[in-house]
Amino acid sequence: GAGVSQSPSNKVTEKGKDVELRCDPISGHTALYWYRQRLGQGLEFLIYFQGNSAPDKSGLPSDRFSAERTGESVSTLTIQRTQQEDSAVYLCASSPSTGTSGRWGEQFFGPGTRLTVL
Amino acid sequence: KQEVTQIPAALSVPEGENLVLNCSFTDSAIYNLQWFRQDPGKGLTSLLLIQSSQREQTSGRLNASLDKSSGRSTLYIAASQPGDSATYLCAGAAGNKLTFGGGTRVLVKP
Repeated sequence: GAGVSQSPSNKVTEKGKDVELRCDPISGHTALYWYRQRLGQGLEFLIYFQGNSAPDKSGLPSDRFSAERTGESVSTLTIQRTQQEDSAVYLCASSPSTGTSGRWGEQFFGPGTRLTVL
Repeated sequence: KQEVTQIPAALSVPEGENLVLNCSFTDSAIYNLQWFRQDPGKGLTSLLLIQSSQREQTSGRLNASLDKSSGRSTLYIAASQPGDSATYLCAGAAGNKLTFGGGTRVLVKP
């Protein structure tokens, strides 16, 4: 079946502009995650959605970052007043609420959105 | 706070050699550990998932072990091929997130 998709694949913006990144999780996956990978660095957790529960926003680096999810489908990550340090690859992952054959909690990643802030 | 470390950071081997990639984590309260492969400019591909109650998982030439008591996981890749060249990441799952190691960049020379 279809995997996690993200759009756009690349985004170049000017400092101070707002950007919106989109993630389409695998159909039926109740959990959705956003991560950030800056050049030469590891992946950092940003935010987690699980069904209709309140999201875990503990990884968001500043109040310029926000994310929404509509039910158990599409999510958008919004960065307001972008700064050069926001340049990174933003990765989305989804996970089913139950797993088969002991694969509960397995996260499946999209291809990412490469954000460049000039 | 969970910290995940991968050693070595880079590894170069001739084709046919077995690969051994190490991952250590500080907080044993993980509910699973996942190994990923990342190719340049691409997303992450899940390779193996080990639940906290398991000690190892195997898929083809790949075998991953988990020792929670010592905070270690090892990924073995048998009979390496040039197509195995990539960055390999381990990640421990706890709470609502994965905590990733810095990765091991692998080059398999023909």
